[in-house]
Amino acid sequence: SQKIEQNSEALNIQEGKTATLTCNYTNYSPAYLQWYRQDPGRGPVFLLLIRENEKEKRKERLKVTFDTTLKQSLFHITASQPADSATYLCALETNNAGNMLTFGGGTRLMVKP
Amino acid sequence: DVKVTQSSRYLVKRTGEKVFLECVQDMDHENMFWYRQDPGLGLRLIYFSYDVKMKEKGDIPEGYSVSREKKERFSLILESASTNQTSMYLCASGILYEQYFGPGTRLTVT
Repeated sequence: SQKIEQNSEALNIQEGKTATLTCNYTNYSPAYLQWYRQDPGRGPVFLLLIRENEKEKRKERLKVTFDTTLKQSLFHITASQPADSATYLCALETNNAGNMLTFGGGTRLMVKP
Repeated sequence: DVKVTQSSRYLVKRTGEKVFLECVQDMDHENMFWYRQDPGLGLRLIYFSYDVKMKEKGDIPEGYSVSREKKERFSLILESASTNQTSMYLCASGILYEQYFGPGTRLTVT
């Protein structure tokens, strides 16, 4: 069966360090993968999209890698700040029309000052 | 900025009641989605719509129906609410790949 796995345990890091979150998937061949941020009591907010033919994508302090051989994406936040504390969700495109997503369970990031 | 609004932030209903959750988007997006989010289970797709009057089942459509009479509005209907439908319900709209989410409705069925 299809599965998307993110570390369900919270990741605690010190301000200024790089946070690295992992998204692993099985039995998918997604054309693209997305990362979203979700704050408590709010809906997810789109951050980045990376396509299957892209190895790496950057946006300000965010960097995403996509390894279709390993079936894994890594999400990095450099120079992390307490305001980066949130739950981060990865999502994979799961239909040929490209408009349907399946989400991982999310990883909660806590950045301590 | 894209705006997706949901009719209620919090809702309490009794078992067996018919429940309507409304979602409106202001960006002329073709695609609209209804998810529910539960601890430990993540976001799960209930239904989505890619055009007016068109709908597709997601992963967990049982116990739900939807209506899309206008492009900007997508309604989720619980025909007879049950306690296992207590959850956070999130609506999203999108075009091509990105999805834009509303603030969510926390529904409690007692």
